Amino acid sequence: KQEVTQIPAALSVPEGENLVLNCSFTDSAIYNLQWFRQDPGKGLTSLLLIQSSQREQTSGRLNASLDKSSGRSTLYIAASQPGDSATYLCAVESSGYSTLTFGKGTMLLVSP
Amino acid sequence: NAGVTQTPKFQVLKTGQSMTLQCAQDMNHEYMSWYRQDPGMGLRLIHYSVGAGITDQGEVPNGYNVSRSTTEDFPLRLLSAAPSQTSVYFCASSPGLAGAIQETQYFGPGTRLLVL
Repeated sequence: KQEVTQIPAALSVPEGENLVLNCSFTDSAIYNLQWFRQDPGKGLTSLLLIQSSQREQTSGRLNASLDKSSGRSTLYIAASQPGDSATYLCAVESSGYSTLTFGKGTMLLVSP
Repeated sequence: NAGVTQTPKFQVLKTGQSMTLQCAQDMNHEYMSWYRQDPGMGLRLIHYSVGAGITDQGEVPNGYNVSRSTTEDFPLRLLSAAPSQTSVYFCASSPGLAGAIQETQYFGPGTRLLVL
């Protein structure tokens, strides 16, 4: 059974810092890995999707890497802003049926 | 496109009552799924569908039924609500496989359910 772990569970940083969120998964046979953002009381917004054949994806200040063999992914956020405050969720697709196994998330607070 | 829509946004039920959570998508996606989100547990898969007429169970299917009569709609039915079903429910859709590539998933805004 696939299990996804995210470290740290919570993170508080001052504005402007670069930061890294970590995700690990137990079964390396995945189709893709996705990072989502969830604001309090809201739904999930897809940030980045990395296919199993890819090593990284970038979108603006966000960069996600994937090391499938070691079962790890990182989400790098450059020059953090208060608007980045949210919960970040990592999820892997390993079923082939577009179903995701989620980590419990990292709650990020960026203070001005 | 409206994307993935869910109704209602919030619902209060008494133990033993039944209800249907609605989910619809207008992107002609084949794959749809239901998740529940609980504090400390993350999101867990309840049921999923790979096309009209085809459904299967996820990690936590007990107490829930689904059907998929059209590509657009994927309702989730609670047969006899229990306090343990108090949660936030998310519906998601995806184009599914495009060659060997799994496409991203799109999530609805969620339904908050409180069972007393």
